[in-house]
Amino acid sequence: AQSVTQLDSHVSVSEGTPVLLRCNYSSSYSPSLFWYVQHPNKGLQLLLKYTSAATLVKGINGFEAEFKKSETSFHLTKPSAHMSDAAEYFCVVSDAESGTSGTYKYIFGTGTRLKVLA
Amino acid sequence: DAGVTQSPTHLIKTRGQHVTLRCSPISGHKSVSWYQQVLGQGPQFIFQYYEKEERGRGNFPDRFSARQFPNYSSELNVNALLLGDSALYLCASSVPGRTYEQYFGPGTRLTVT
Repeated sequence: AQSVTQLDSHVSVSEGTPVLLRCNYSSSYSPSLFWYVQHPNKGLQLLLKYTSAATLVKGINGFEAEFKKSETSFHLTKPSAHMSDAAEYFCVVSDAESGTSGTYKYIFGTGTRLKVLA
Repeated sequence: DAGVTQSPTHLIKTRGQHVTLRCSPISGHKSVSWYQQVLGQGPQFIFQYYEKEERGRGNFPDRFSARQFPNYSSELNVNALLLGDSALYLCASSVPGRTYEQYFGPGTRLTVT
């Protein structure tokens, strides 16, 4: 069975400093991995995705993530935090095994709440 | 282009009642998935439908059911509501077999009193 573990439930950074949100995954085969962001009272927005192409993935709003198979990690980074980055972030693995005909489900981590201090 | 739409946005129900939540996928998307997000937790998979057939089911009781219509819109039904069913219900649409990417709607906030 596939799973993801987000190692920090809360992260606080000062505006202008780097952001690191950690995610480890468990998968029996090459996974598809995603990071989503959820602002208060809003839906989920895709930040970036890894689907077995380049291991360093660039997303929207300056976010990046690196797929490291040897460490089973997919950490999310941003060089300089902005106040608007304050939100809940979810690491997601796609479980393609469970569905049929190319269908699949998402398995979400428990989330990391990012706080950006002025 | 319109994104995934869900209705209603908010709903308050009493224990034991029934509720129907609706979702319209992005035009051209034939797969719809439903997720439950309890406050403070990550979303949990409930169902996935493709071409009007159930293709996946999460660990939810039989009180939860869903269906997909010929226009690919979908309904999630929950019977005999419990307090623990209070959550944000998210719908996501996708094109099966292509990058596994799902697009989420804004959700329906269900409160059971």
